[in-house]
Amino acid sequence: DAKTTQPPSMDCAEGRAANLPCNHSTISGNEYVYWYRQIHSQGPQYIIHGLKNNETNEMASLIITEDRKSSTLILPHATLRDTAVYYCIVRLQGGKLIFGQGTELSVKP
Amino acid sequence: GAVVSQHPSRVICKSGTSVKIECRSLDFQATTMFWYRQFPKQSLMLMATSNEGSKATYEQGVEKDKFLINHASLTLSTLTVTSAHPEDSSFYICSARDPPGAAFFGQGTRLTVV
Repeated sequence: DAKTTQPPSMDCAEGRAANLPCNHSTISGNEYVYWYRQIHSQGPQYIIHGLKNNETNEMASLIITEDRKSSTLILPHATLRDTAVYYCIVRLQGGKLIFGQGTELSVKP
Repeated sequence: GAVVSQHPSRVICKSGTSVKIECRSLDFQATTMFWYRQFPKQSLMLMATSNEGSKATYEQGVEKDKFLINHASLTLSTLTVTSAHPEDSSFYICSARDPPGAAFFGQGTRLTVV
Protein backbone atom coordinates (compact mmCIF):
# COMPACT_ATOMS: atom_id res chain seq x y z
CA ASP A 1 0.00 0.00 0.00
CA ALA A 2 1.07 3.55 -0.70
CA LYS A 3 2.48 5.37 2.30
CA THR A 4 1.30 8.77 1.15
CA THR A 5 -1.99 10.65 0.88
CA GLN A 6 -2.69 13.47 -1.55
CA PRO A 7 -5.77 15.48 -2.52
CA PRO A 8 -7.33 13.92 -5.63
CA SER A 9 -7.43 17.15 -7.62
CA MET A 10 -6.37 20.79 -7.63
CA ASP A 11 -6.72 23.78 -9.91
CA CYS A 12 -4.15 26.49 -10.48
CA ALA A 13 -4.16 29.65 -12.57
CA GLU A 14 -1.53 29.89 -15.27
CA GLY A 15 1.48 31.89 -14.08
CA ARG A 16 0.71 31.37 -10.41
CA ALA A 17 2.51 29.04 -8.04
CA ALA A 18 1.06 25.57 -7.67
CA ASN A 19 1.47 24.11 -4.18
CA LEU A 20 0.79 20.38 -4.00
CA PRO A 21 0.61 18.87 -0.51
CA CYS A 22 1.42 15.33 0.55
CA ASN A 23 1.09 13.54 3.87
CA HIS A 24 3.51 10.74 4.75
CA SER A 25 3.04 10.40 8.49
CA THR A 26 4.50 6.87 8.71
CA ILE A 27 7.73 7.69 6.92
CA SER A 28 10.88 6.16 8.39
CA GLY A 29 14.04 8.06 9.14
CA ASN A 30 15.99 6.91 6.10
CA GLU A 31 13.17 6.94 3.55
CA TYR A 32 13.23 9.51 0.79
CA VAL A 33 10.24 11.38 -0.61
CA TYR A 34 10.01 11.40 -4.40
CA TRP A 35 7.76 13.40 -6.70
CA TYR A 36 6.83 12.35 -10.22
CA ARG A 37 4.25 13.53 -12.67
CA GLN A 38 2.43 11.73 -15.44
CA ILE A 39 0.95 13.33 -18.48
CA HIS A 40 -1.73 11.27 -20.16
CA SER A 41 -0.47 8.09 -21.86
CA GLN A 42 3.17 8.74 -21.03
CA GLY A 43 5.56 7.27 -18.49
CA PRO A 44 6.02 9.17 -15.22
CA GLN A 45 8.54 12.00 -15.27
CA TYR A 46 10.91 12.52 -12.34
CA ILE A 47 10.61 15.93 -10.70
CA ILE A 48 12.52 16.03 -7.43
CA HIS A 49 13.30 14.09 -4.29
CA GLY A 50 14.49 14.81 -0.75
CA LEU A 51 15.21 13.32 2.64
CA LYS A 52 14.84 16.09 5.20
CA ASN A 53 16.23 19.29 3.73
CA ASN A 54 14.32 21.47 1.32
CA GLU A 55 15.36 20.92 -2.27
CA THR A 56 15.14 23.00 -5.44
CA ASN A 57 15.90 22.27 -9.05
CA GLU A 58 14.99 23.75 -12.41
CA MET A 59 11.52 22.21 -12.28
CA ALA A 60 10.30 22.68 -8.74
CA SER A 61 10.95 23.11 -5.04
CA LEU A 62 10.30 20.54 -2.36
CA ILE A 63 9.52 21.65 1.16
CA ILE A 64 9.65 18.93 3.82
CA THR A 65 8.35 19.65 7.31
CA GLU A 66 10.75 19.30 10.21
CA ASP A 67 8.99 16.19 11.51
CA ARG A 68 9.06 14.79 7.93
CA LYS A 69 5.40 13.81 8.12
CA SER A 70 4.39 15.97 5.19
CA SER A 71 5.82 17.80 2.23
CA THR A 72 4.80 20.29 -0.43
CA LEU A 73 5.82 20.40 -4.06
CA ILE A 74 5.94 23.91 -5.45
CA LEU A 75 5.80 24.73 -9.13
CA PRO A 76 6.71 28.41 -9.00
CA HIS A 77 5.08 29.61 -12.23
CA ALA A 78 2.64 27.01 -13.49
CA THR A 79 2.04 26.71 -17.23
CA LEU A 80 -0.63 24.84 -19.16
CA ARG A 81 1.95 22.13 -19.86
CA ASP A 82 2.17 21.43 -16.13
CA THR A 83 -1.32 19.92 -16.23
CA ALA A 84 -0.73 16.31 -15.13
CA VAL A 85 -1.19 13.82 -12.32
CA TYR A 86 1.42 14.42 -9.61
CA TYR A 87 2.56 11.54 -7.45
CA CYS A 88 4.24 11.83 -4.07
CA ILE A 89 6.01 8.58 -3.21
CA VAL A 90 8.04 7.27 -0.31
CA ARG A 91 10.70 4.96 -1.66
CA LEU A 92 10.72 1.56 0.00
CA GLN A 93 13.67 -0.70 0.70
CA GLY A 94 15.10 -2.18 -2.44
CA GLY A 95 14.17 0.92 -4.40
CA LYS A 96 10.51 0.09 -4.92
CA LEU A 97 8.20 2.97 -5.70
CA ILE A 98 4.58 2.30 -4.75
CA PHE A 99 2.23 4.74 -6.41
CA GLY A 100 -0.87 6.13 -4.72
CA GLN A 101 -3.66 7.87 -6.57
CA GLY A 102 -1.83 11.17 -6.93
CA THR A 103 -3.19 14.69 -7.42
CA GLU A 104 -4.65 15.69 -10.77
CA LEU A 105 -3.45 19.25 -11.29
CA SER A 106 -5.32 21.36 -13.82
CA VAL A 107 -3.62 24.59 -14.83
CA LYS A 108 -6.18 26.98 -16.27
CA PRO A 109 -5.60 30.05 -18.46
CA GLY B 1 18.07 13.11 -16.45
CA ALA B 2 18.84 9.52 -17.29
CA VAL B 3 17.02 7.92 -20.19
CA VAL B 4 15.02 4.72 -20.13
CA SER B 5 13.66 3.50 -23.43
CA GLN B 6 10.80 1.05 -23.96
CA HIS B 7 9.91 -0.78 -27.14
CA PRO B 8 7.42 -1.08 -28.68
CA SER B 9 5.30 1.90 -27.70
CA ARG B 10 2.14 0.24 -29.00
CA VAL B 11 1.32 -3.35 -29.86
CA ILE B 12 -1.82 -5.15 -30.89
CA CYS B 13 -1.83 -8.92 -30.69
CA LYS B 14 -4.27 -11.76 -31.07
CA SER B 15 -5.62 -13.58 -28.06
CA GLY B 16 -3.43 -16.56 -27.17
CA THR B 17 -0.21 -15.16 -28.55
CA SER B 18 2.79 -13.84 -26.59
CA VAL B 19 4.19 -10.34 -26.62
CA LYS B 20 7.66 -9.19 -25.58
CA ILE B 21 8.34 -5.69 -24.28
CA GLU B 22 11.88 -4.37 -23.96
CA CYS B 23 13.18 -1.87 -21.43
CA ARG B 24 16.63 -0.35 -21.86
CA SER B 25 18.65 2.04 -19.76
CA LEU B 26 20.49 4.10 -22.35
CA ASP B 27 23.13 5.99 -20.40
CA PHE B 28 23.55 4.09 -17.15
CA GLN B 29 23.70 0.55 -15.86
CA ALA B 30 20.77 -0.76 -13.90
CA THR B 31 21.07 -3.89 -11.78
CA THR B 32 17.42 -3.49 -10.85
CA MET B 33 14.47 -2.55 -13.03
CA PHE B 34 10.79 -2.47 -12.17
CA TRP B 35 7.71 -3.33 -14.21
CA TYR B 36 4.35 -1.64 -13.69
CA ARG B 37 0.91 -1.97 -15.20
CA GLN B 38 -1.66 0.81 -15.44
CA PHE B 39 -5.33 0.47 -16.31
CA PRO B 40 -7.35 3.46 -17.56
CA LYS B 41 -7.96 6.14 -14.94
CA GLN B 42 -5.97 4.18 -12.35
CA SER B 43 -2.55 4.58 -10.81
CA LEU B 44 0.50 2.51 -11.63
CA MET B 45 0.61 -0.92 -10.04
CA LEU B 46 3.98 -2.52 -9.38
CA MET B 47 4.12 -5.99 -10.94
CA ALA B 48 7.66 -7.18 -10.36
CA THR B 49 11.26 -6.32 -9.64
CA SER B 50 13.72 -7.41 -12.30
CA ASN B 51 17.20 -8.29 -11.03
CA GLU B 52 20.17 -8.61 -13.38
CA GLY B 53 21.50 -12.14 -13.41
CA SER B 54 18.87 -13.59 -11.10
CA LYS B 55 15.18 -14.34 -10.94
CA ALA B 56 12.63 -11.60 -10.81
CA THR B 57 10.56 -11.09 -7.69
CA TYR B 58 6.84 -10.68 -8.23
CA GLU B 59 4.28 -8.74 -6.24
CA GLN B 60 1.44 -10.59 -4.63
CA GLY B 61 -1.21 -11.62 -7.11
CA VAL B 62 1.00 -11.33 -10.21
CA GLU B 63 1.42 -14.64 -12.05
CA LYS B 64 5.08 -15.27 -12.73
CA ASP B 65 4.35 -17.86 -15.43
CA LYS B 66 2.20 -15.40 -17.32
CA PHE B 67 4.50 -12.40 -17.05
CA LEU B 68 7.99 -13.67 -17.79
CA ILE B 69 10.81 -11.31 -16.93
CA ASN B 70 14.39 -11.62 -18.11
CA HIS B 71 17.17 -9.25 -17.09
CA ALA B 72 20.14 -10.62 -18.99
CA SER B 73 22.31 -7.52 -18.99
CA LEU B 74 22.84 -4.34 -17.00
CA THR B 75 20.97 -2.30 -19.60
CA LEU B 76 18.12 -4.54 -20.73
CA SER B 77 15.10 -6.13 -19.10
CA THR B 78 12.27 -7.79 -21.00
CA LEU B 79 8.69 -8.55 -20.03
CA THR B 80 6.88 -11.24 -21.98
CA VAL B 81 3.13 -11.49 -21.65
CA THR B 82 2.41 -15.12 -22.46
CA SER B 83 -0.87 -16.41 -23.87
CA ALA B 84 -2.30 -12.93 -23.81
CA HIS B 85 -6.01 -12.39 -23.28
CA PRO B 86 -8.13 -9.26 -23.64
CA GLU B 87 -7.98 -8.65 -19.88
CA ASP B 88 -4.20 -8.26 -20.22
CA SER B 89 -4.75 -5.17 -22.33
CA SER B 90 -3.11 -2.37 -20.40
CA PHE B 91 -0.35 0.22 -20.31
CA TYR B 92 2.93 -1.42 -19.24
CA ILE B 93 5.72 0.77 -17.92
CA CYS B 94 9.25 -0.02 -16.81
CA SER B 95 11.62 1.94 -14.63
CA ALA B 96 15.30 1.75 -13.81
CA ARG B 97 17.12 3.38 -10.97
CA ASP B 98 20.19 5.48 -11.69
CA PRO B 99 22.24 4.94 -8.56
CA PRO B 100 22.29 6.56 -6.10
CA GLY B 101 19.37 8.75 -7.05
CA ALA B 102 16.04 8.66 -8.75
CA ALA B 103 14.30 6.01 -10.80
CA PHE B 104 13.50 6.94 -14.37
CA PHE B 105 10.61 5.58 -16.37
CA GLY B 106 10.19 4.43 -19.92
CA GLN B 107 7.55 5.94 -22.14
CA GLY B 108 5.28 2.94 -21.69
CA THR B 109 3.84 0.27 -23.96
CA ARG B 110 0.15 0.21 -24.81
CA LEU B 111 -0.86 -3.45 -25.24
CA THR B 112 -4.18 -4.28 -26.87
CA VAL B 113 -5.20 -7.93 -27.08
CA VAL B 114 -7.95 -8.66 -29.59
